[in-house]
Amino acid sequence: AQSVTQPDIHITVSEGASLELRCNYSYGATPYLFWYVQSPGQGLQLLLKYFSGDTLVQGIKGFEAEFKRSQSSFNLRKPSVHWSDAAEYFCAVGPGNTPLVFGKGTRLSVIA
Amino acid sequence: EADIYQTPRYLVIGTGKKITLECSQTMGHDKMYWYQQDPGMELHLIHYSYGVNSTEKGDLSSESTVSRIRTEHFPLTLESARPSHTSQYLCASSDPGGTGNTIYFGEGSWLTVV
Repeated sequence: AQSVTQPDIHITVSEGASLELRCNYSYGATPYLFWYVQSPGQGLQLLLKYFSGDTLVQGIKGFEAEFKRSQSSFNLRKPSVHWSDAAEYFCAVGPGNTPLVFGKGTRLSVIA
Repeated sequence: EADIYQTPRYLVIGTGKKITLECSQTMGHDKMYWYQQDPGMELHLIHYSYGVNSTEKGDLSSESTVSRIRTEHFPLTLESARPSHTSQYLCASSDPGGTGNTIYFGEGSWLTVV
């Protein structure tokens, strides 16, 4: 069965610093991979997704993620974090025919 | 942007009351889902549907029920609310196919049972 691990429960970064959020997945075939962001009291918004092709995927709000099959990872990155990026981030994996499996999330705090 | 709407956004009700959380989408998606999420915690899939007259239970056991009589509508009902049902409920729908089942979420319904 597929699973997603987000090793970091909470990360704090300074505004302007770079960011990397980790995501590891377990899935038997080529996965469909997603990153979502959730602001407090809101639903989840899709940041980016990977299906095939170029392993570096660009998303909204300046985020990107890289699919590394050999490491079963799909880490999210941003070169310069803004205070408005403070939120909860969820990685998800899905085979396409069944509901997505979500990780437990990583809370991002941004300090001045 | 996805067009998926949930009502009410916030609700406080008494124990034992019946409540229905509404969810509608205008994208023609066949697949729809309900997730339960406590504040700052992970999402738990409680119900999903792959089309009209199709409903399945999710990974987390829930005392709620759902129905799918129309493609665009996927309401969730609690027959007798209890304080343990206090949570955020997120409705979602996904592309019909070929795009990896990308899920789009509504804004969520916050339920407090007192």
